[in-house]
Amino acid sequence: DIQMTQSPSSLSASVGDRVTITCRASQSIGKYLNWYQQKLGKAPKLLISGAFSLQSGVPSRFSGSGSGTDFTLTISTLQPEDFATYYCQQGFTTPYTFGQGTKLEIK
Amino acid sequence: QMQLQESGPGLVMPSQTLSLTCTVSAGSISSDDYSWSWIRQPPGKGLEWIGYIISGGNTYYNPSLRSRASISVDTSTNRFSLKLSSVTATDTAVYFCARRGRDVITLGDYFDIWGQGTLVTVSS
Repeated sequence: DIQMTQSPSSLSASVGDRVTITCRASQSIGKYLNWYQQKLGKAPKLLISGAFSLQSGVPSRFSGSGSGTDFTLTISTLQPEDFATYYCQQGFTTPYTFGQGTKLEIK
Repeated sequence: QMQLQESGPGLVMPSQTLSLTCTVSAGSISSDDYSWSWIRQPPGKGLEWIGYIISGGNTYYNPSLRSRASISVDTSTNRFSLKLSSVTATDTAVYFCARRGRDVITLGDYFDIWGQGTLVTVSS
């Protein structure tokens, strides 16, 4: 299985901050990397597919980059509604695997 | 806008079979562009992909489940189902159904529409 490792596991930030979350795959996955946002008690929401393609309706303050084994999710200017847990997921091969999550909390 | 909704018992006895159904509305489960997945999340933990089914019936499972999982589809009712046999307490989780799509640029697979999730507790 491809292991997905996110860092940090948790992060405290303030509204208006720029935040970066990283995801590393245990082997090359090209650009087959997706990012999800999950709020407490809710289903994950797809933010970015194919490493950088923003889903319809997702604010432009979210962006993704990377290829191969190293990827990043950046939120340019944190808004109150962005405080949540973020997961990366490789869509390269089955079994599909997720990172362990990054919990973004208000400082 | 397509919606997915899980249904099934919230409590299952150890060693029994967990059975869940996902109803797809505002869209056809028979679309060739998508397939239909189950994903679970133990309380306070991360996400685990269980498997998916294509409308024609082909299935793909996570080997970690050691052949305990079975996914089926009923195109006449626009539903797909999960059965997980020989459950233990470690199978306690929120179970999500989700639509699996493919990125048009990279051709990687993603989950773009999710049900709200249903908590299944394995306990006697």
